[in-house]
Amino acid sequence: KQEVTQIPAALSVPEGENLVLNCSFTDSAIYNLQWFRQDPGKGLTSLLLIQSSQREQTSGRLNASLDKSSGRSTLYIAASQPGDSATYLCAVEEAAGNKLTFGGGTRVLVKP
Amino acid sequence: DVKVTQSSRYLVKRTGEKVFLECVQDMDHENMFWYRQDPGLGLRLIYFSYDVKMKEKGDIPEGYSVSREKKERFSLILESASTNQTSMYLCASSRQLFGRQETQYFGPGTRLLVL
Repeated sequence: KQEVTQIPAALSVPEGENLVLNCSFTDSAIYNLQWFRQDPGKGLTSLLLIQSSQREQTSGRLNASLDKSSGRSTLYIAASQPGDSATYLCAVEEAAGNKLTFGGGTRVLVKP
Repeated sequence: DVKVTQSSRYLVKRTGEKVFLECVQDMDHENMFWYRQDPGLGLRLIYFSYDVKMKEKGDIPEGYSVSREKKERFSLILESASTNQTSMYLCASSRQLFGRQETQYFGPGTRLLVL
């Protein structure tokens, strides 16, 4: 059974510092991996989706890498801003079917 | 813009009550999902549906049922609410394209408290 882990569970950085968020998964037979953002009490918003054949995806200040063989993904957020404060979740989609398995999330606080 | 709406943001019910959570999407998506989110346990899939009147069990279907009579609407039913069903419930939808789903779009969530 696929298990997705995100460490650390919480992170606090001063504004301007780069953020590095980690995600690991146990079964490398994935179709894709997604990173989501969740603001307190709200739903999830998709940030980046990396297909299993890709190594990375970029959108603005966000860059996500994928190493399928080692079961790891990293989300980089450059020059963090207070508005980046949120919980970030990664999710893997299994190769057979439409199910997503989520990590527990990393709660990020960017201090002004 | 894709819009996924959920009927209530907050709901308080009593043990034993029948509870209906409604989800509506406006983008003609084939797939719809119900998750619950709990501290320390993350998001867990309860049920999903890939077509009208079709449903599949997720990881934690016990105590829940679902209904999809129309493509845009997916209902989660708690037949007899219990206190351990107090949680945040999230609905999502996605389009099916060339045999795979595209990204899932989430509703704002319903925070359910069962007393």
